Amino acid sequence: SAVISQKPSRDICQRGTSLTIQCQVDSQVTMMFWYRQQPGQSLTLIATANQGSEATYESGFVIDKFPISRPNLTFSTLTVSNLSPEDSSIYLCSVETSYEQYFGPGTRLTVT
Amino acid sequence: AQSVAQPEDQVNVAEGNPLTVKCTYSVSGNPYLFWYVQYPNRGLQFLLKYITGDNLVKGSYGFEAEFNKSQTSFHLKKPSALVSDSALYFCAVRGGYNKLIFGAGTRLAVHP
Repeated sequence: SAVISQKPSRDICQRGTSLTIQCQVDSQVTMMFWYRQQPGQSLTLIATANQGSEATYESGFVIDKFPISRPNLTFSTLTVSNLSPEDSSIYLCSVETSYEQYFGPGTRLTVT
Repeated sequence: AQSVAQPEDQVNVAEGNPLTVKCTYSVSGNPYLFWYVQYPNRGLQFLLKYITGDNLVKGSYGFEAEFNKSQTSFHLKKPSALVSDSALYFCAVRGGYNKLIFGAGTRLAVHP
């Protein structure tokens, strides 16, 4: 298994600003994933982040809006840029080990 | 395209009764299937997975799931429900590049 922490756990941001979410894992992993969970909905993959390469974004998500960094095998950041109320969601990072994906506790973002 | 369906938005069960949360999937090739649980204000917790082998998979907290290839189903079960099992349950299938495709989620309510 893997233990994942995220910072911040929640934030309230103003429209037009940005929020950077940090994800730290207690072991080295190749692939990290970023998901979004909009209120009352399921999880949607934003992008996959491999160390040393550009993140791979899913349809509907673009790098300008969701830039991702992956500087080493235990850490990643997701920035949500130019915030609008529609970005209010829970953002979760996850990692895979032995065919199991483990999730961080999530970052609850509210945009006012 | 790979997809997961959870046909019930909510399942209501009396404490002590058996519970079933339904999931059907559509994939090409052999499916890798997962169940996750989300408690209020918490991240996703891994419950169990099916990769290969026995069709009955046992997981955490007394949950099990039955893989049925002919019916393309992976229903989650527990012989005796607890009030503390009340949560949001997600079925997921592994897609390309290790990403998870989630169902819409089923809210389980266990009544005393």
